[in-house]
Amino acid sequence: AQSVTQPDIHITVSEGASLELRCNYSYGATPYLFWYVQSPGQGLQLLLKYFSGDTLVQGIKGFEAEFKRSQSSFNLRKPSVHWSDAAEYFCAVGGYGGATNKLIFGTGTLLAVQP
Amino acid sequence: DAEITQSPRHKITETGRQVTLACHQTWNHNNMFWYRQDLGHGLRLIHYSYGVQDTNKGEVSDGYSVSRSNTEDLPLTLESAASSQTSVYFCASSGGGLGEQFFGPGTRLTVL
Repeated sequence: AQSVTQPDIHITVSEGASLELRCNYSYGATPYLFWYVQSPGQGLQLLLKYFSGDTLVQGIKGFEAEFKRSQSSFNLRKPSVHWSDAAEYFCAVGGYGGATNKLIFGTGTLLAVQP
Repeated sequence: DAEITQSPRHKITETGRQVTLACHQTWNHNNMFWYRQDLGHGLRLIHYSYGVQDTNKGEVSDGYSVSRSNTEDLPLTLESAASSQTSVYFCASSGGGLGEQFFGPGTRLTVL
């Protein structure tokens, strides 16, 4: 069955430190992969997406993610975290067309940033 | 600018009452989705639609219904609200086959 796993429920980092949020997926076909961010009381905003091509993708707010097919992973990274990055982050997987227009979301990782 | 809106933003209702949550998008997207968000579960798909007159059940559809009479709107109805339906509800839309979805701000529903 298709699924997304975010193994870290909660992560705390210091401001200025690097960040990596983990995401593993299970999907039968070539996946389309997404990272969304949710600030408190807000809807979800797309950070970045991977469809094909270069496996390192750049997103908004200085985030990047790397698709590793051999590890079924799509980890999110940022070299230097800012206090405003404190939020919940969701990884999602989807496919092309028809019923695969649906996205499957992970359970999220809550990021706290220490001053 | 195109957007997706939800109303109300907050709702308190009683067990057994019918409740309808509105979702309106001006992206002219064919695909619309309803999710609920609960602690420890992430987002779970309730219902979705790929166009006018098309509706489909998601993984947690029991107790919910939707109808799609035009491109812009996909209202979500709780036929007889239950306390287990206390949650935050998000509507989303997408325009094409690559799955990127745009989300509304959410509706926080409390069923007492």
